[in-house]
Amino acid sequence: DGGITQSPKYLFRKEGQNVTLSCEQNLNHDAMYWYRQDPGQGLRLIYYSQIVNDFQKGDIAEGYSVSREKKESFPLTVTSAQKNPTAFYLCASARTGWAFFGQGTRLTVV
Amino acid sequence: GESVGLHLPTLSVQEGDNSIINCAYSNSASDYFIWYKQESGKGPQFIIDIRSNMDKRQGQRVTVLLNKTVKHLSLQIAATQPGDSAVYFCAENGGRTSGTYKYIFGTGTRLKVLA
Repeated sequence: DGGITQSPKYLFRKEGQNVTLSCEQNLNHDAMYWYRQDPGQGLRLIYYSQIVNDFQKGDIAEGYSVSREKKESFPLTVTSAQKNPTAFYLCASARTGWAFFGQGTRLTVV
Repeated sequence: GESVGLHLPTLSVQEGDNSIINCAYSNSASDYFIWYKQESGKGPQFIIDIRSNMDKRQGQRVTVLLNKTVKHLSLQIAATQPGDSAVYFCAENGGRTSGTYKYIFGTGTRLKVLA
């Protein structure tokens, strides 16, 4: 079955640590996206990538980094520079038309 | 910057009634709009979409209306069921003339279906 997989589902991070969230898709989509969602709020764009080896900052890129070495994969690293990283992170992919979302990773700073 | 917003944060509807969820957008160049449903702890699911060359599109129990004159989008759900309880988001894919291709989401409306 085609789809988009995010892992892990839950992630705990100590202050000052970097963590990487995984996002893999087998839909053959060119575009991939990372969004952040805070409780009771909408989705805010962190980074997006239209093609391999290319990506652009979204509205809240500070404290995050990404790579796009393969079409299928778009990992997100939450760095220690992100002062308030506790949130629900959503990855999506798209070809033309609507974006297909993964089931999210909930990151908590402990 | 461009934004997509919703008029009502929470909507309570009696089971069996029709629901209408509204959305305003500000980017005149937007040419594609999407409605998503998000259940608690899950990723958003696609419901229906519409392109700017259309005013109305119907799916199974859902209808999306687009009014470009006032930059307004609505989602109508017929015969609302308990399983429709969720948060609904509208999103726009900014016009491609700028070369960008990103989805801008509104805050969301929580739909509560009352038994």
